Amino acid sequence: QKEVEQNSGPLSVPEGAIASLNCTYSDRGSQSFFWYRQYSGKSPELIMFIYSNGDKEDGRFTAQLNKASQYVSLLIRDSQPSDSATYLCAVTPIQGAQKLVFGQGTRLTINP
Amino acid sequence: DVKVTQSSRYLVKRTGEKVFLECVQDMDHENMFWYRQDPGLGLRLIYFSYDVKMKEKGDIPEGYSVSREKKERFSLILESASTNQTSMYLCASSFNQGALIGNTIYFGEGSWLTVV
Repeated sequence: QKEVEQNSGPLSVPEGAIASLNCTYSDRGSQSFFWYRQYSGKSPELIMFIYSNGDKEDGRFTAQLNKASQYVSLLIRDSQPSDSATYLCAVTPIQGAQKLVFGQGTRLTINP
Repeated sequence: DVKVTQSSRYLVKRTGEKVFLECVQDMDHENMFWYRQDPGLGLRLIYFSYDVKMKEKGDIPEGYSVSREKKERFSLILESASTNQTSMYLCASSFNQGALIGNTIYFGEGSWLTVV
């Protein structure tokens, strides 16, 4: 089982709709969870991080964490074509907490 | 703003050449990383450094070495480049904020290496 799993997509969402990106992780002791966005040919950039169970909102983005289910998600409200990118989920493992383990990423396309 | 600068954006090297990829960060971060990114395989950690002259192997260290002589600079070395090392290489850095709280990692622009 991969440490961090994401559906590779592509996920296609109409403009203005909610895009939902999901991620599961295997290390039950993981404490910190990150979402990065990566445009084609560019490097990943941080969208947001979450440490506590529940929801965390930042503008149009909401991260949701459920540690019991080992599940983290990212919701993008009012999706825009500029949101089209690959979204990477990353997790801090309990061993080696200075590092991040990345999922393979989900490619998201917002259709005008 | 955090700045992680990779010296070379695009390189073409021949099989067997020694290749140096340089990375500099300006935020006084303790941690520095080298990842490679390949289609379908995601981001994989090659090496990690948590202090000057300190290094730790990542998931795929074979064929690579690193050097960290100064806090702000972290170099990736391919001793004898091979075609299977053709990839995008990403340098990153972060603060060391403690064992349980994860640290936001900031990435450089990436270096595209082609080995022919």
